[in-house]
This record gives sequence, structure tokens and C-alpha cells, in this order.
Amino acid sequence: GAVVSQHPSWVICKSGTSVKIECRSLDFQATTMFWYRQFPKQSLMLMATSNEGSKATYEQGVEKDKFLINHASLTLSTLTVTSAHPEDSSFYICSVGTGAYEQYFGPGTRLTVT
Amino acid sequence: EDQVTQSPEALRLQEGESSSLNCSYTVSGLRGLFWYRQDPGKGPEFLFTLYSAGEEKEKERLKATLTKKESFLHITAPKPEDSATYLCAVELNTGGFKTIFGAGTRLFVKA
Repeated sequence: GAVVSQHPSWVICKSGTSVKIECRSLDFQATTMFWYRQFPKQSLMLMATSNEGSKATYEQGVEKDKFLINHASLTLSTLTVTSAHPEDSSFYICSVGTGAYEQYFGPGTRLTVT
Repeated sequence: EDQVTQSPEALRLQEGESSSLNCSYTVSGLRGLFWYRQDPGKGPEFLFTLYSAGEEKEKERLKATLTKKESFLHITAPKPEDSATYLCAVELNTGGFKTIFGAGTRLFVKA
């Protein structure tokens, strides 16, 4: 498997500000990483697929100018929520995709926008 | 349309009361089926991968099986610490990653 960390684990920000969330693959060279969001008592919703060295692929309905994804190395992908609003409050989870098409998830980041 | 459905939505068991969770799927091509456990406020924890009908995997009190249309996660003599949401996901047989998650089954095990 792969060990994945996320930072921060939780963050509170004011409406209109930007927040950056880091996802690190600690023991695996991650060519592909994923970003999900999850609302209470709901399943995971894929936001985008992050490929090292290239532009992320966003799912339909996800604003790429609002959710900026950068995958600059094989161990780090970042998600920046720009001009955050209360409706962006959610649980954001990243995962690492392996050669066996398995995904290993980070612990998640709880974002609250006030 | 590719689809993954989990049932029941929620399951309440007494400690020691064995049961099964279901994951049925309708997909154009299956590369693999995955089971995850998710505790509240945490990311999903990988449990099993199943690749072909007839395959079975076991881990402690959990056993996952796969047919051409569905997968079962059997829980034998569950304990309160098995309480969690169990997610099923299907990886489609496409050129790259294409994963569809089910909505999950919330399991509550009472002592």
C-alpha cells in the first residue's frame, strides 16, 4: 500500500480568503493522485485527478479556477480553494493511485468557511 | 450507465451477530472491486481488492466475495470496534483510473 498524509487536518478561514491543502505520499512515488470532497453522511465525490507534471483533470461541475490543483512532484499534490465561501465547507480527502489501480487515502482535511 | 449500489444503507447488529453487506454493480467492464472502511472524520482505509468472480479475501472478522454482479462483505461475530461506514468501489476497465464509489453502509455494532 501507500501511506498518505494531509495538512492541515482542519482549517477555519474567512469568506473570500484562499486556503491551501497539502497531500503527501510518504512511501510511494505517486504519478496519480485524486482529490475528493465529502459531505456529512454522504459518499466520496471525486473532484479531480492530479497527474504529476501535467494539468489536473476536473470532474464535470467542478470549477477549475476555484479549486486549483498542483502536482509538482511524485510525493506532493496541493489543492487551493480560492475565494472560499461557506458552501465550500466540507471534508476534503486526497488519495494516491497505485499500479494495481488501488487507492490509498489520506486522513482528510476539514474546511470550515465562516 | 455504470452504477454501484450498496445495501443496506445502515445496519445495526448486536455484538457477535454475523451479517453481510451487499455491493451490486452494473458496469461496462470491471477491472477490480475494492472495499474500504471509513471511521467518522477520517479518510477511508483500504481493506480488500477483488479482481474476478469467485475470488475471496479474508482479514480478521471480515471476508469479501465477488460474483459477476455483486460483492458481499461478510462480518463474522462483529465487535463494537467494527462500527464504521463500509464503502465499496468499482474500478472500470478503461485506459486510466475510473473509480465509482457506492454510497456506503453504516454499520453499528452494539455491545
